[in-house]
Amino acid sequence: ETGVTQTPRHLVMGMTNKKSLKCEQHLGHNAMYWYKQSAKKPLELMFVYSLEERVENNSVPSRFSPECPNSSHLFLHLHTLQPEDSALYLCASSQGRLNEQFFGPGTRLTVL
Amino acid sequence: GESVGLHLPTLSVQEGDNSIINCAYSNSASDYFIWYKQESGKGPQFIIDIRSNMDKRQGQRVTVLLNKTVKHLSLQIAATQPGDSAVYFCAEIPNYGQNFVFGPGTRLSVLP
Repeated sequence: ETGVTQTPRHLVMGMTNKKSLKCEQHLGHNAMYWYKQSAKKPLELMFVYSLEERVENNSVPSRFSPECPNSSHLFLHLHTLQPEDSALYLCASSQGRLNEQFFGPGTRLTVL
Repeated sequence: GESVGLHLPTLSVQEGDNSIINCAYSNSASDYFIWYKQESGKGPQFIIDIRSNMDKRQGQRVTVLLNKTVKHLSLQIAATQPGDSAVYFCAEIPNYGQNFVFGPGTRLSVLP
């Protein structure tokens, strides 16, 4: 185990649903990340939180809304998603942004 | 298990042989590199890292080589085992930036 947990592990939702992905890190890190992993593409960085402040939003559509209530928890709120949003969503954390990132197991999201 | 990438480059090796996985990176100013391993159903896991002031670093059964002249990174796995079957990603941090840039990955298959 890497010390980063994600729930749920699998999620199927319709385009009109609202759901949230949760990430928790038990490593005492101060930076957390959301990545999208699709077939045939490298990992795509979505959001970066450092010291609980969002420091990066890589042109992610507004139907994805992150939330970082404290340094150990990160959420990704989803609403009115599209089928092309189906992917593996990975959370990661690190101590400082220039160090190794520890990844969670991911949430496999399917949008119908 | 998870499908990380349906059309990734694939390397097949016999159990017990050595494996070499290659990565071309994009930015000559990158100064930190990591190799990650992603097994089916899991998030990426750190294997080994190297900074730009080195050209070789060894771990347990793994060696990373950095050739800055041609912007090439390689991961060597000695005595490859079935448990080494996974997708391997290289990641770089450009010295002007603060985010990792991930390569597309290579799928390693270990044949019995």
